[in-house]
Amino acid sequence: AQKITQTQPGMFVQEKEAVTLDCTYDTSDQSYGLFWYKQPSSGEMIFLIYQGSYDEQNATEGRYSLNFQKARKSANLVISASQLGDSAMYFCAMRVGYSGGSNYKLTFGKGTLLTVNP
Amino acid sequence: DVKVTQSSRYLVKRTGEKVFLECVQDMDHENMFWYRQDPGLGLRLIYFSYDVKMKEKGDIPEGYSVSREKKERFSLILESASTNQTSMYLCASSDATAFLYEQYFGPGTRLTVT
Repeated sequence: AQKITQTQPGMFVQEKEAVTLDCTYDTSDQSYGLFWYKQPSSGEMIFLIYQGSYDEQNATEGRYSLNFQKARKSANLVISASQLGDSAMYFCAMRVGYSGGSNYKLTFGKGTLLTVNP
Repeated sequence: DVKVTQSSRYLVKRTGEKVFLECVQDMDHENMFWYRQDPGLGLRLIYFSYDVKMKEKGDIPEGYSVSREKKERFSLILESASTNQTSMYLCASSDATAFLYEQYFGPGTRLTVT
């Protein structure tokens, strides 16, 4: 069974500083994908960034980067230059395999609530 | 832009009522999902569907059923609502032909069962 662990229920960061949100995963499959989603107080889940298990480079999307350490089974999200609008719940998720059917499922962690202070 | 809509943002129902939560996506996605979100528990998959009339149980299907008669619509049914089904319900869809299979979410329905 797959499992995602986010050990930080809440995090605080000063505006303009960088912050790292932790995510570790557990799977016996070799093919998997890791996702980060943002959920603002409005409730809608927003896809941020993706890392495939065979990707050799860490994924980056603007101010978001994913620190992927395969041997440690970690996929931490790094947000650079935090903004007040980054205050939200952040979820790490994993999909196993690529061939369809139940491989379309995502397993989510419990989330980390990030608060950006002015 | 992918759009996933849910029939209600807020819903209040009584114990024992039959409750229908509707989800519609406009991007011709094959896959659709229903999650519930509770504080401290993250998102948990209730049911998903990867084709019309096809469904698979997720992690917490007890007390729920689903229906997918058309590709764009996926309904979650609470046959007899109970107070422990008070929660935020999120619908999502994904493209089975896309490389990432990333899921696109609706705004959520906050259901209260009294």
